[in-house]
Amino acid sequence: EPEVTQTPSHQVTQMGQEVILRCVPISNHLYFYWYRQILGQKVEFLVSFYNNEISEKSEIFDDQFSVERPDGSNFTLKIRSTKLEDSAMYFCASSWTGIWDTQYFGPGTRLTVL
Amino acid sequence: EDQVTQSPEALRLQEGESSSLNCSYTVSGLRGLFWYRQDPGKGPEFLFTLYSAGEEKEKERLKATLTKKESFLHITAPKPEDSATYLCAVRAQETSGSRLTFGEGTQLTVNP
Repeated sequence: EPEVTQTPSHQVTQMGQEVILRCVPISNHLYFYWYRQILGQKVEFLVSFYNNEISEKSEIFDDQFSVERPDGSNFTLKIRSTKLEDSAMYFCASSWTGIWDTQYFGPGTRLTVL
Repeated sequence: EDQVTQSPEALRLQEGESSSLNCSYTVSGLRGLFWYRQDPGKGPEFLFTLYSAGEEKEKERLKATLTKKESFLHITAPKPEDSATYLCAVRAQETSGSRLTFGEGTQLTVNP
């Protein structure tokens, strides 16, 4: 069964450093998403991406965040200058269509900012 | 603003003891209500999508139902392997990018 994959599973970084989280969405899916979950809190939407453009972003997704689809299979989330409060699980998701379809989530990357 | 409230926060059941989890939502124009299961340290695993009031979906011991204001996840004769956090999420009509708004989840523990 096709699944979303994410690397690395755990990333530890120093405050102020840049990190790139990687995702490989399900192969025939066209819509891609990033969500985050701070420990003990609910899953929160960050950004959605379609046709090489951001289609929606939340208030969390400020100028320190960016997304990219560098090739036909990968989807990345970059955090330019990490802060302590960026420590969270980051989940990538994908769906075939956007408006009505189910989003399938990856296993997540645990980001720890020291 | 879209809101999703799940209750109870935590639920302990004995194996075989059936129960229901609740998800109340406030959204302008529902474009899907989703149930996911989340195990500790893992990503949400898709269970069901419901689109309109009156709709029901079933999978093994789980059954999801939807009204205009809430959804229920019924679990019949649960087993210890059903222990997980169950997440409810909604997608609103006006969202341009299909964002999901999640509730806090219900942490279910099934004791043998």
